Amino acid sequence: DGGITQSPKYLFRKEGQNVTLSCEQNLNHDAMYWYRQDPGQGLRLIYYSQIVNDFQKGDIAEGYSVSREKKESFPLTVTSAQKNPTAFYLCASSIMGHVQETQYFGPGTRLLVL
Amino acid sequence: QQQVKQSPQSLIVQKGGISIINCAYENTAFDYFPWYQQFPGKGPALLIAIRPDVSEKKEGRFTISFNKSAKQFSLHIMDSQPGDSATYFCAASLTSGGYQKVTFGTGTKLQVIP
Repeated sequence: DGGITQSPKYLFRKEGQNVTLSCEQNLNHDAMYWYRQDPGQGLRLIYYSQIVNDFQKGDIAEGYSVSREKKESFPLTVTSAQKNPTAFYLCASSIMGHVQETQYFGPGTRLLVL
Repeated sequence: QQQVKQSPQSLIVQKGGISIINCAYENTAFDYFPWYQQFPGKGPALLIAIRPDVSEKKEGRFTISFNKSAKQFSLHIMDSQPGDSATYFCAASLTSGGYQKVTFGTGTKLQVIP
């Protein structure tokens, strides 16, 4: 089955800790994205990547970091600098990222602060 | 700011009724308008999408109406079913700097009661 997988489903972060959320896709898509979803708000873009070894900041990149070493993988690290990390994190991908096209979403990771 | 305003925030419809969700945008450069459906604990999935040169698009029970001059578009769900109960997001995208940027509405939680 082709699709996007995210792990873990739930993640708990302690004060001052960095945590990494996994996102893998086997759709052979070039572009990948990370969004944050909070209750009553739309999805907000954290980072995006159109090709391997290249990524750009989205609207709310502060306190987050990413890497894109492989086409199929786009992990997101929530650093201790992110003061309000509790949210539902969604990874998405699209074929090329620069044309009118659908973004396909993973099942999400819910991050909670202990 | 490139906003997409969505209303209502929540909607209760009886089975068999019509659900209507409205969105308005400001930036006339938007060139693609998708709607996403999200079930609790899951990632959003594309439901239907329209381009601004089309005034209406229908897929099964789902119809997008698009009013370019008013900068508004809406989702109509005919013969609403309990299985349609979900959160619906409108979105608008444009290509900027070689990248397709998607702006999401804040979501409408639809409940279809038997």
